[in-house]
Amino acid sequence: QVQLVESGGALVKPGGSLSLSCAASGFTFRDYYMSWIRQSPGKGLEWVAYVTNSASSSATSYAVSVKGRFTISRDNAKSSLSLQMNSLRVDDTAVYYCARAVYGSGTYYFDYWGQGALVTVSS
Amino acid sequence: SYELTQPPSVSVSPGQTARITCSGDGLSKLYTFWYQQKPGQAPVLVISRDTERPSGIPERFSGSASGTTATLTLDGVQAEDEADYYCQSGDSSATSVVFGGGTKLTVL
Repeated sequence: QVQLVESGGALVKPGGSLSLSCAASGFTFRDYYMSWIRQSPGKGLEWVAYVTNSASSSATSYAVSVKGRFTISRDNAKSSLSLQMNSLRVDDTAVYYCARAVYGSGTYYFDYWGQGALVTVSS
Repeated sequence: SYELTQPPSVSVSPGQTARITCSGDGLSKLYTFWYQQKPGQAPVLVISRDTERPSGIPERFSGSASGTTATLTLDGVQAEDEADYYCQSGDSSATSVVFGGGTKLTVL
């Protein structure tokens, strides 16, 4: 069965950096697009970034709110997804979900989600 | 990018029908997807491509779309359906993803 397990959540000071990881299993990781989605406390879902599969050259795309500060990457050999977060701000505080993305008919959707990793940015 | 608009809350009695709408200019050209999220849990996909129900999702969940509005319908709501529901779509360039603000479904 498909499993996505995030790790690396922590308390970080504003301006700091943090890296999240997502270990994937139960499917052929290299064949799928992957994404990070976040949810601030008591708020709705916000898409953060995606990375395409190897066939599409592992291209990336980012939400405007994180572009230039966050970097998504994948290691197909380890079935692992990462999110490097730099210049963190208080409003980056959220649960970060790793999700498997499916592309079709002009858009992406997310058929499996991890349980999330909490990132708290506070002084 | 554009916005997807959902009502903040919907309330229904058990056994009745709940309808949650999602409006956005892009929906006339792109599919809508729906997720259910219960407290403390990750979201679960309940409707794909406007109307498709993934394996394991009860038949009381259905979706429809017309023009710039998509609708999630729950026929015969049960207490276990109380949750937040989010719609989601993309942009025409397929470079970003947009979520609606979410609707809290309360089963009275």
